[in-house]
Amino acid sequence: EIVLTQSPGTLSLSPGERATLSCRASQSFSSSYLAWYQQKPGQAPRLLIYAASIRATGIPDRFSGSGSGAEFTLTISRLEPEDFAVYYCQQYGNSLYSFGQGTKVEIK
Amino acid sequence: QLQLQESGPGLLKPSETLSLTCTASGGSISSTTHYWGWIRQPPGKGLEWIGAITSSRSTYYSPSLRGRVTISVDTSKNQFSLNLSSVTAADTAVYYCARLAFGLPRIDYWGQGTLVTVSS
Repeated sequence: EIVLTQSPGTLSLSPGERATLSCRASQSFSSSYLAWYQQKPGQAPRLLIYAASIRATGIPDRFSGSGSGAEFTLTISRLEPEDFAVYYCQQYGNSLYSFGQGTKVEIK
Repeated sequence: QLQLQESGPGLLKPSETLSLTCTASGGSISSTTHYWGWIRQPPGKGLEWIGAITSSRSTYYSPSLRGRVTISVDTSKNQFSLNLSSVTAADTAVYYCARLAFGLPRIDYWGQGTLVTVSS
């Protein structure tokens, strides 16, 4: 079973700044199987990125994903007030899904 | 626009069986490009994938819950369901139903979630 570790646990930034979130896997896997989600308090998660770098429908282009092997990154180029939330990476393998523990992006 | 809605009891006692149903509207459970799953989130914690089912009733379960979990589908009602047996306080969580995509795997639609509390 592949374990995903996200870092940092909390990222304190100001609106307009760049956010870089990391997702590291315990072993390499296809980038086709890596997705990112955003979750705001009291809401269901929302798909942001799939196949490591493809933005989901309606996702602004300030969100971008990159990476391969066992190292993946979600970048928010300029934080908007609505971007402060928790972000999860997710991996698919052997017909199963698993999630990282999340990174909280908070207002500094 | 697909909508998913969870329903079921919000309070259970230890050792009881959790039963939730997800009703889909604006889309068909019989899709061949998507399948249907459950994810949970304990209060203040992260996401845990429970399992999934295709419209042809192939099932996939988390190893940590296998043996206690059953997911079923009723295409005539456009619904799928989750049963989790022998619940404990550790099963207290918000339970989400969701649509999963084949091909480039992702969870592209989520229900709003329903809180299930296990307490004596």
